[in-house]
Amino acid sequence: ELVMTQSPATLSVSPGERATLSCRASQSVSSNLAWYQQKPGQTPRLLIYGASTRATGIPARFSGSGSGTDFTLTISSLQSEDFAVYYCQHYNRWPLTFGGGTKVETK
Amino acid sequence: EVQLLESGGGLIQPGGSLRLSCAASGFTFSSSAMSWVRQTPGEGLEWVSTISEGGDTTFYTDSVKGRFTISRDNSKNTLYLQMNSLRAEDTAVYYCAKDGYNFNYFHYWGQGTLVTVSS
Repeated sequence: ELVMTQSPATLSVSPGERATLSCRASQSVSSNLAWYQQKPGQTPRLLIYGASTRATGIPARFSGSGSGTDFTLTISSLQSEDFAVYYCQHYNRWPLTFGGGTKVETK
Repeated sequence: EVQLLESGGGLIQPGGSLRLSCAASGFTFSSSAMSWVRQTPGEGLEWVSTISEGGDTTFYTDSVKGRFTISRDNSKNTLYLQMNSLRAEDTAVYYCAKDGYNFNYFHYWGQGTLVTVSS
């Protein structure tokens, strides 16, 4: 099974600062990588697919990069509504797997 | 607007069965692969199962193979998950999700239904 590892587990950031989240795959997933945001008590929301394509309605401050085994989600200037848990997920082959998540909290 | 509405969750004893349903609207249901994803309370996300647009191809995570069956009724715009031989570790919120076009990421999510397996 392909393992997705996210780091750090928790990221403390001040509003307006840049946040950089990492996701590493145990084997290459090409660009078949998605990112999701989940706020407390809410459903996950698709942010990025194809490693770097923003989903409809996602603000430009969210950007994704990487291919193969190493991926990054960058939030250029954190807004109050961005404090949440972020998950990566590969869809390169079965079974599909998620990373353990990175919690972005207020510093 | 895409809407996915799950139902059928509840409290069930170990070894019991439950069927989840997901009513879909706002898109052409028969043209989209669909999935179930679960989340243990306070924990991360786990993909459970995916079904192709026509229902002829299905995929499962290893821990549910032989116990869970995904199906769909395209005439009713409804997705199902039949869960048998339930275990305590199946306790989770189960989300119905619409897959991306030609790719198996999860574009839209329902609100989820809680399944609790406990005696």
